Parts: sequence; structure tokens; C-alpha cells
Amino acid sequence: AQSVTQLGSHVSVSEGALVLLRCNYSSSVPPYLFWYVQYPNQGLQLLLKYTSAATLVKGINGFEAEFKKSETSFHLTKPSAHMSDAAEYFCAVSGSGGSNYKLTFGKGTLLTVNP
Amino acid sequence: DAMVIQNPRYQVTQFGKPVTLSCSQTLNHNVMYWYQQKSSQAPKLLFHYYDKDFNNEADTPDNFQSRRPNTSFCFLDIRSPGLGDAAMYLCATSREKLYNEQFFGPGTRLTVL
Repeated sequence: AQSVTQLGSHVSVSEGALVLLRCNYSSSVPPYLFWYVQYPNQGLQLLLKYTSAATLVKGINGFEAEFKKSETSFHLTKPSAHMSDAAEYFCAVSGSGGSNYKLTFGKGTLLTVNP
Repeated sequence: DAMVIQNPRYQVTQFGKPVTLSCSQTLNHNVMYWYQQKSSQAPKLLFHYYDKDFNNEADTPDNFQSRRPNTSFCFLDIRSPGLGDAAMYLCATSREKLYNEQFFGPGTRLTVL
């Protein structure tokens, strides 16, 4: 079984400030981890993914995330927030084999960016 | 550009009136998924196809059905929509099951009157 917990349903930052969105996972097998972004009335767009290679993963739009096995975490960061980053962010986990291939999503974190 | 396309983007139907949502893909992926996403919630997997092999989630209501006539197209049929079925419906694809990077379409927002 696998699960994802996103701490903070709503995060608000100022433009230019650090963005930190938290994600903790639980998985009975080595996980694959994903961050998706969703803009209003749109589908989900993949930001980045961890698939057991480098633990620091760089994604699109200046985002990155670090896989920490000891902490079962995969937090998303961006050094400097931009107004266009305002969206909903979902962390997701899937297993690396067997029947655990399905994506399990967290409940999402809504990021607002203040001018 | 290769992509996942959903039509229509917005659909209004009446309580109990059958409705069909469409998804097509130009990625030539083997797996196609349907998710239901209600406001401020995570997407919930309804079912998926691996090629022609249909896989239903245990808690998907019988009111929801799906068809995949070929690799490119997949349909979601809601036989008798209720008010509780109003949601965003997302189609996604992945090349294979194991390396599960999913590509999402823009979604269809369903309103039930």
C-alpha cells in the first residue's frame, strides 16, 4: 500500500520568496515520486519525477525536489516565486513494480503568490 | 505536438441523461486512464485500459463505463448522471504501467442540472 501526505493545504508566499511545498510518502516498495501542477480548469502537468536515480531532481519552471529516504520525504522547492507559479500542486507516489504501479495523489497544496 | 485531447471541455447534462466524454491521444501510449476530480480534491482513479485490457477500480460506481475502440481513443460513459457526478473528468496516458509517468489532458468539466 502507498500513500501521500501533503502538509499544508494552502501556502502563501510573496513574489521573490522561497517556495517550499511539503510531501511525505509511505510505500511498501521503492517508490517513484512525482510532482504535478494544476492551473485553474486545466489538467495536470508534470513538474518533475524521481525514479531511483539522482536524489535531487530538477524540473521545469525552476522547481526542484529532493528525495530523502530516511525522512520519507519529497519536498518541492523553488528559490524565487513568480506570480505565474500560483496554482495547485499535487505530490504523487507509485510503486516501482508489481501491482503498485497506480498513482496515489496527495490532497494538493494551493500556492498563492502575493505581489 | 504529441498530446492528450479531451472533448468537450465543458459539458452540461440533465439529471439522469446519459453523457459521453471523449479522450484521444497522439502519444501512442499503451495505457489510458480516467480520473474524477471534485473541487479542491485530488484526482480519483475510476479505471484504466492497458491496450484492450480493462481494469476497473473496486469503488467505481456501475454508473460509469468506458470504451477503448482503438489505441488512440477512449470514452467515458455516465449512464445516469446524478448531482454527485458533477466534477472535472481527467484523461491521462502512460507509455507502460511500470514507469508510470502520466500525461494528462485538459479535462472535461461536467455540470449536472
